[in-house]
Amino acid sequence: NAGVTQTPKFRILKIGQSMTLQCAQDMNHNYMYWYRQDPGMGLKLIYYSVGAGITDKGEVPNGYNVSRSTTEDFPLRLELAAPSQTSVYFCASSYSSGGGYEQYFGPGTRLTVT
Amino acid sequence: AQKVTQAQTEISVVEKEDVTLDCVYETRDTTYYLFWYKQPPSGELVFLIRRNSFDEQNEISGRYSWNFQKSTSSFNFTITASQVVDSAVYFCALISGGYQKVTFGTGTKLQVIP
Repeated sequence: NAGVTQTPKFRILKIGQSMTLQCAQDMNHNYMYWYRQDPGMGLKLIYYSVGAGITDKGEVPNGYNVSRSTTEDFPLRLELAAPSQTSVYFCASSYSSGGGYEQYFGPGTRLTVT
Repeated sequence: AQKVTQAQTEISVVEKEDVTLDCVYETRDTTYYLFWYKQPPSGELVFLIRRNSFDEQNEISGRYSWNFQKSTSSFNFTITASQVVDSAVYFCALISGGYQKVTFGTGTKLQVIP
């Protein structure tokens, strides 16, 4: 299994540009998440999904959108990129039941907005 | 609202010393889950341990041990005989509330000096 994969690994955007961060998992996990990690900080939840077609906001959703059309994929869309969105973005997935399952993380996407 | 506090921002120890990383959490839920993750300099997030709120037994895994105390809302992590490879940022995380919303602490950066 590849686990959780993310593309691209690095990206530089200009202010106002848009892009989609891709995330895929092959573990048949129902739950998927997007986090951002700012320098020297912990992870903050942007959006999460409990299954195909179901998404919900996390702690810092402004400026982002997500969709979940399949179990495997959970892309994150940045519209009108701003310097405040410079961060490392992590996608994660977990089993669905009980809330007690660990999250498996992708390798991250380092995004710089200038 | 839930909260995870890792008051130690950075810790430096000399190799072979023992070190304890503190984690204090807040939640109103009676059912919740606590986690520790390791983030080495390479950047990926590695799951270390999961604990549910009904299991206060301490756990030992090799040089790692965890002390969960509901009375003080703490879930501390001890590394015995630290090694240079233990140098990383360690995150404590909490899941509660019925959905898999995760709250991460801000992390403790551990530096083990040879």
